[in-house]
Amino acid sequence: DIVMTQSPESLAVSLGERATINCKSSQSVLYSSNNKNYLAWYQQKPGQPPKLLIYWASTRESGVPDRFSGSGSGTDFTLTISSLQAEDVAVYYCQQYYNIPQFTFGPGTKVDI
Amino acid sequence: EVQLVESGGGLVQPGGSLRLSCAASGFTFSSFWMYWVRRVPGKGLVWVSRINGDGTTTTYADSVKGRFSISRDNAKNTLYLQMDSLRAEDTAVYYCSRVDFGVLPRYWGQGTLVTVSS
Repeated sequence: DIVMTQSPESLAVSLGERATINCKSSQSVLYSSNNKNYLAWYQQKPGQPPKLLIYWASTRESGVPDRFSGSGSGTDFTLTISSLQAEDVAVYYCQQYYNIPQFTFGPGTKVDI
Repeated sequence: EVQLVESGGGLVQPGGSLRLSCAASGFTFSSFWMYWVRRVPGKGLVWVSRINGDGTTTTYADSVKGRFSISRDNAKNTLYLQMDSLRAEDTAVYYCSRVDFGVLPRYWGQGTLVTVSS
């Protein structure tokens, strides 16, 4: 299985400030035939299902505010929230879907204010 | 609007069985692979099983192989997970998810809680 790690485990950010979450995969999730990174980011709030924010490492899902952005390639990825809002308090997970069906999630990063 | 609604969870004794259902609406159900994913306390999100659009191809995580069975009824727009020989470690919130691009779990239901305990 591809192992996903995230850092930090948790972070506290002031309203309006930037939050940065890192994700690392144990092997590359870049598929050479289409040059796409099979990496997604999800947001999960208590009692709710995961919500897809970013896929192909940097494509924002429809309806997701543009303060959320994803970057990186190969094994190292970053989710950035450019200006944290109160409603962004949640746990954020990265996920690789390169190794299907054994897709795997990172352990999560808790974002607080 | 894509909607997925799970049901069937509950408290069951070790060795018991449950059948989860996932009612889908807002899209052509038979055109999509579907996943079951579970959120295990303290362990995060873990893939459980998948099924293709016509139900002819299924795959399972090693931890549930031989005990769980995924199926679908495209006439009823419903996905199922038959869970037998349940163990304490199967305790989790179970989500169904629609697969897009053939690989990405894009839409998720609200989940149903399964608790295996005596």
